[in-house]
Amino acid sequence: QLVLTQSPSASASLGASVRLTCTLSSGHTSYAIAWHQQQPDMGPRFLMRLNSDGSHSKGDGIPDRFSGSSSGAERYLTISSLQSEDEADYYCQTWDSGIPVLFGGGTKLTVL
Amino acid sequence: EVQLVQSGAEVKKPGESLKISCKGSGYYFTTYWIVWVRQMPGKGLEWMGMIYPGDSDTRYSPSFQGQVTISADKSISTAYLQWSSLKASDSAMYYCARRPPYEPIDSWGQGTLVTVSS
Repeated sequence: QLVLTQSPSASASLGASVRLTCTLSSGHTSYAIAWHQQQPDMGPRFLMRLNSDGSHSKGDGIPDRFSGSSSGAERYLTISSLQSEDEADYYCQTWDSGIPVLFGGGTKLTVL
Repeated sequence: EVQLVQSGAEVKKPGESLKISCKGSGYYFTTYWIVWVRQMPGKGLEWMGMIYPGDSDTRYSPSFQGQVTISADKSISTAYLQWSSLKASDSAMYYCARRPPYEPIDSWGQGTLVTVSS
């Protein structure tokens, strides 16, 4: 069964870097995903598409501070030089023929 | 510039019907899926269903099949999400989003807040 697993919360200090993880279920480790950001009281925003080899393509206007990488079943979103506006919920999303849209549970990032 | 503009907030009573909309612009509306996503207060994103306006192919999440109806009018580049009989548990924020075929969602609407209360 296709499942995306995310830690519920993460925190890091202003100016530091943080890596968020999205884990694909067994048997689906080659899947690409997308990362979406949802700032408080805002709608989600597409950040990037991330492939199993770590290559990624970002949405329009997404800063260079946001990058993606992959290792096995894990897909990472790294945010460097953290700013206050990066405090948000981050969702990963994937798809296949049986489940056209699937979201992870989301990670709430707190910037200290 | 790709834009998805959703209709405004709604306050309804249980049992009433409702149809909310999502108008796409800045791209070929008929060649991308429009996805509907529910977000209940304080919760995560849930896929409800989607429609391909080019041929009206519609898919529903099993959790929402039979609970809502998704439609589109390609002549005005607008997709719809409708309920025939609202329940209090339908109170949530609803987002539309654009999804290229075989790709992830790449653009979102601003959301429509639906409140169902007697």
